[in-house]
Parts: sequence; structure tokens; C-alpha cells
Amino acid sequence: SQQGEEDPQALSIQEGENATMNCSYKTSINNLQWYRQNSGRGLVHLILIRSNEREKHSGRLRVTLDTSKKSSSLLITASRAADTASYFCATDAKAAGNKLTFGGGTRVLVKP
Amino acid sequence: GAGVSQSPSNKVTEKGKDVELRCDPISGHTALYWYRQSLGQGLEFLIYFQGNSAPDKSGLPSDRFSAERTGGSVSTLTIQRTQQEDSAVYLCASTLRGGGDYEQYFGPGTRLTVT
Repeated sequence: SQQGEEDPQALSIQEGENATMNCSYKTSINNLQWYRQNSGRGLVHLILIRSNEREKHSGRLRVTLDTSKKSSSLLITASRAADTASYFCATDAKAAGNKLTFGGGTRVLVKP
Repeated sequence: GAGVSQSPSNKVTEKGKDVELRCDPISGHTALYWYRQSLGQGLEFLIYFQGNSAPDKSGLPSDRFSAERTGGSVSTLTIQRTQQEDSAVYLCASTLRGGGDYEQYFGPGTRLTVT
């Protein structure tokens, strides 16, 4: 089964609103990464958060990590139409052979 | 500098034919990954190469799938006797070093359609 599972599977918001998506995982991790994918092609790395970190920021992105709940969230503030994409979390866990395991993704639609 | 490149970008093949997909990773990156993504789905891990170590083939779905990485650089994913369920986008990624601690750089993918 997949290590990371995103929730919700799809999200539709108006431009300017915030978008929040969550990722849950099953086993202890070394780190967790978030990626964005536009139009079903290559993914682009957004943020890496390590297991000893609780929060990281990058521009309009805020990522939190709660290892006690085995979950992470990605918040996009003041969303723009260009943020329309699929967002994936990926976990690095020893149980998975220290390679990234991707979740199913959250499809975000930002309406102008 | 150049990113990860993949070729072809699109491939249409008849059921039963063999196909080869190519990935050129970023120069100097020691680790290379192949993933498969069906429409609207997440990424399915296929195979992982790290330096001179034996590849992690644990994600290959059947013995019709194989991959090699020559000279620690270019990689080829081969699918023999293609089936319609092999239709998907095949993504390649490379990282500076092995392990999950590094950002993955993805290529644009190869969209494979088996008719």
C-alpha cells in the first residue's frame, strides 16, 4: 500500500483563497517532500521537511509535519490560477528502502 | 544547465510489440528512478539505480519490464510484448545522490499508448 495518502483527492477554490491539503503516512519517515505537477507531465519539487522539523515556509507555501499523527499539510496562501495543478507528497522511509514513495495526489483547481 | 530529458515524448505502439523508453539524467546525478503514472493517478515506483549498486527492481510489475543504466548515465526502460494496460505516462527522475534525502528532478515523461 502507498506510504503517503493525500486528502482531499480534489479541491476547487476561488482565486485569492487559501488551499490546504493533507498527507498521511504509515511508517516512520526520515523526511517528507511535496511536489507539484502541471498537465500530467514532470513533477516539480516544492519543499522538503525533515522528521525533526515541524514547519517550513517557501513563498506562499507553508508545510507542517506532525510525526506523532504521521501527517503533513501543505497550505497555499492567496491562491492564483497558476496554482492549478496536482500536488503530491512523497515520503522517505527506511521501511521503503530509503527511496521516495509518492501518494495519489490532490488535484487543485483555482478559479479566476 | 540541462534538466532531465526523456524520449520519445509520445509513443503509440501495437499490442505485442516491444518498446524502449530513454532517460537522460542531469549530469553528475548518481541516482535515477523510473515511475509509471496512469491517468489521474499517483506515481507508481518501477526501478531505482544508485551508482554501481544493484538496482532496486521491486516495483517492476512483470518480467516484461526491464531497465538498464549504461555508464552510470543514460537509462533505457524496455517493455516487451506490450499490453493495453501498459498505457501510461512513464516518468524518469534523477537525484544528486541516492536515498530519499534529495530533491528529485523529473523529466517531462513519455506518454505510451498501446492500441
